[in-house]
Amino acid sequence: QAQLVESGGGVVQPGRSLRLSCAASGFTFNTYGMHWVRQAPGRGLEWLAFITYDGSDKYYADSVKGRFTISRDNSKNTLFLQMNGLRVDDTAVYSCAGGFDYWGQGTLVTVST
Amino acid sequence: SYELTQPSSVSVSPGQAARITCSGDLLAKKYARWFQHKAGQAPVLVIYKDSERPSGIPERFSGSSSETTATLTVSGAQVEDEADYYCYSMGDDRVGVFGGGTKLTVV
Repeated sequence: QAQLVESGGGVVQPGRSLRLSCAASGFTFNTYGMHWVRQAPGRGLEWLAFITYDGSDKYYADSVKGRFTISRDNSKNTLFLQMNGLRVDDTAVYSCAGGFDYWGQGTLVTVST
Repeated sequence: SYELTQPSSVSVSPGQAARITCSGDLLAKKYARWFQHKAGQAPVLVIYKDSERPSGIPERFSGSSSETTATLTVSGAQVEDEADYYCYSMGDDRVGVFGGGTKLTVV
């Protein structure tokens, strides 16, 4: 069945960078637009970014525009989120979603001194 | 940027209808989706295109939309329906937004 597995989370200091990956299987990855969504502790879901099925177009929430970059490698069925200039308020569980039909379980990013 | 507003909580007795609203100017021209999110689990899409139900979602889940307000109705709510519910929409600029979420309690 369809599966999305995120990796790359961890503890990082403010201002540093982190790259998240989302490995897809069980569905035709290269036909799905992909999203990144996060949930900070005690908060609701926050949409972060979207990339079209072929990677030709990318869209971002204002809160991450200019700091985060979404990308994909369809040859490897993998989605990425490059996060630069991390801030304490970026602390959250980051999840990828395939067209919102399929979701991963998320990876925790903690930004702390 | 866009905003979608939901009540923070809704409480009903088992078997009653639960209605969760989502308001925002964006909804006047864009479809809403609704997600059910239980702690420790991935969100599940329960309604798309305002009122369409994905396969496998029980018929007691329904959606509607009028002008700037979308509504998720859980008819005959069950204890297992307790969860956080989020509306979502995406603007012409392909920027997405979730509502703040509504905690549904069935007790």
